[in-house]
Amino acid sequence: DSGVTQTPKHLITATGQRVTLRCSPRSGDLSVYWYQQSLDQGLQFLIQYYNGEERAKGNILERFSAQQFPDLHSELNLSSLELGDSALYFCASRQEGKNSPLHFGNGTRLTVT
Amino acid sequence: AQSVTQLDSQVPVFEEAPVELRCNYSSSVSVYLFWYVQYPNQGLQLLLKYLSGSTLVKGINGFEAEFNKSQTSFHLRKPSVHISDTAEYFCAVSPLTGGGNKLTFGTGTQLKVEL
Repeated sequence: DSGVTQTPKHLITATGQRVTLRCSPRSGDLSVYWYQQSLDQGLQFLIQYYNGEERAKGNILERFSAQQFPDLHSELNLSSLELGDSALYFCASRQEGKNSPLHFGNGTRLTVT
Repeated sequence: AQSVTQLDSQVPVFEEAPVELRCNYSSSVSVYLFWYVQYPNQGLQLLLKYLSGSTLVKGINGFEAEFNKSQTSFHLRKPSVHISDTAEYFCAVSPLTGGGNKLTFGTGTQLKVEL
């Protein structure tokens, strides 16, 4: 158990809809990272938050947004969903310090029909 | 910028046989190197990491990897695999300046252990 909790585990929705994915980081970790894993793109970094503030952006679409709340949990919002958004979405957290590894949650599998 | 190449998308191997999963990287700066494992329906779990020092790194579950700077490789090995090692393995690199956002993953190698 990595200590990172993601909900829901599975999500099935239709094109054009909006969903919210939730992540609770490990206790004490201030940084949260979101990744998308798909068959064709592999594991892609989307966005990072640190103690409530956006720290870095990766290959995140404009239809996607995220935030980190004062209790450090994070939400990834995906809107105007397309079939190609179907993927596994992972959240990871880490302690700051360049040697510290990422700890991943078990992911949310999103299926857009 | 850095990139990671895992040439083998799938590696089938019989139980108790040795295995090597290959990883080559490209980077204009010095890097840290990682191997992660992903079991079915789970997130990625750190297997081992190379930060500095001895080029042979030992990880969990009997895996080890050797950093070869001249060949820019970080191959993962296990002398005798078990059915439970069936999983996807990801090599990743990060520049010495660190930051999870700078972690670049390879495309993964599916290790399938057969009886």
